[in-house]
Amino acid sequence: DQQVKQNSPSLSVQEGRISILNCDYTNSMFDYFLWYKKYPAEGPTFLISISSIKDKNEDGRFTVFLNKSAKHLSLHIVPSQPGDSAVYFCAASPGGTSYGKLTFGQGTILTVHP
Amino acid sequence: NAGVMQNPRHLVRRRGQEARLRCSPMKGHSHVYWYRQLPEEGLKFMVYLQKENIIDESGMPKERFSAEFPKEGPSILRIQQVVRGDSAAYFCASSPPNRGRSSYEQYFGPGTRLTVT
Repeated sequence: DQQVKQNSPSLSVQEGRISILNCDYTNSMFDYFLWYKKYPAEGPTFLISISSIKDKNEDGRFTVFLNKSAKHLSLHIVPSQPGDSAVYFCAASPGGTSYGKLTFGQGTILTVHP
Repeated sequence: NAGVMQNPRHLVRRRGQEARLRCSPMKGHSHVYWYRQLPEEGLKFMVYLQKENIIDESGMPKERFSAEFPKEGPSILRIQQVVRGDSAAYFCASSPPNRGRSSYEQYFGPGTRLTVT
């Protein structure tokens, strides 16, 4: 049962353009969402997060949008840079005493072309 | 401030041997998490520990796997009698004590790649 899904295995974008990575979830108990970036042979690096009480959070070039009614979140990267090329994972936390138990999507490989 | 440390980075074991994976959390972090990543898949939660306590082990296989986070020293993930299906990348993460939403953010180590031959 895949509770967090990233339906696009890969995304290719030109440098300077916007990258939009999508994530859907099924568990309405999730109350906190995070995005991680991962390079090969390294651990995931935390990028940005959003609480379920918000619909948008922005940090520099990265913005995360949350649509609770649709159970959908997206990560926007503007402008995209070649160094952004990596695998991006969305993750969700159920909050409460199990808040540490993150559920990850399968990941989306982002390639930014110069 | 050093990040999350994991060792070894690569570990090769023959079937039936034991594997011990170590994780030192970031300074000031008291919560440790272990995740496993199989090839072409996302990370799967295994266990959540605080010092001397297992908080949630719902993702741990029922047999052969155990984890601890002693009062002193690193957290250890132990796999007994390894099988080929245990071959994966094992990631450790840590987070600060529960002081609000920032404690949701977990910081990952570089991982240990276990290969069972």
